[in-house]
Amino acid sequence: GQQVMQIPQYQHVQEGEDFTTYCNSSTTLSNIQWYKQRPGGHPVFLIQLVKSGEVKKQKRLTFQFGEAKKNSSLHITATQTTDVGTYFCAGYSGYSTLTFGKGTMLLVSP
Amino acid sequence: GAVVSQHPSRVICKSGTSVKIECRSLDFQATTMFWYRQFPKQSLMLMATSNEGSKATYEQGVEKDKFLINHASLTLSTLTVTSAHPEDSSFYICSARLGSPDTQYFGPGTRLTVL
Repeated sequence: GQQVMQIPQYQHVQEGEDFTTYCNSSTTLSNIQWYKQRPGGHPVFLIQLVKSGEVKKQKRLTFQFGEAKKNSSLHITATQTTDVGTYFCAGYSGYSTLTFGKGTMLLVSP
Repeated sequence: GAVVSQHPSRVICKSGTSVKIECRSLDFQATTMFWYRQFPKQSLMLMATSNEGSKATYEQGVEKDKFLINHASLTLSTLTVTSAHPEDSSFYICSARLGSPDTQYFGPGTRLTVL
């Protein structure tokens, strides 16, 4: 079945440093979605990427979808303590369900 | 828009009892809802896909007789954990599908503790 791998599992940065999490799918995706889950909270939808090579920005967050539509990345510039949480990618291959990666837990020290 | 509620947010029960969790889409209709389970510091594990007016589709390894799902209306799906045991203690999260391409909007989750 479809597998979505996400690295790193965990990253601890100092406030102001950049952060990147990577997502790779075993199959070609029709779209990829990113979610953020704060500690103790539930996943919140951040963005969806559909087109090959697509790049989208949300303030300090930059999302990319690979040309082959099998990988994606989320980059945060100049992290802040409010960025703390677990970031999940989720791939949709056209079947009925999203497949979630294991998530990258981000810890930001002030 | 696209708000999903879940009730209760927390429940503590004795072993052997059944617990019902409700998932509602508040401002949209959802023909498809999903039920996930999440253990501490782990990813979301899809348990089942709930389709309005038809039987739920369960993922491999999920006991359908233990986790009963009912999706009786376009805004409500319920998950009943029957004869709960301590190993069923977990964070249960529902989501509702909306839009094209599909996006899932998550409820706030229910933390179940079985004593």
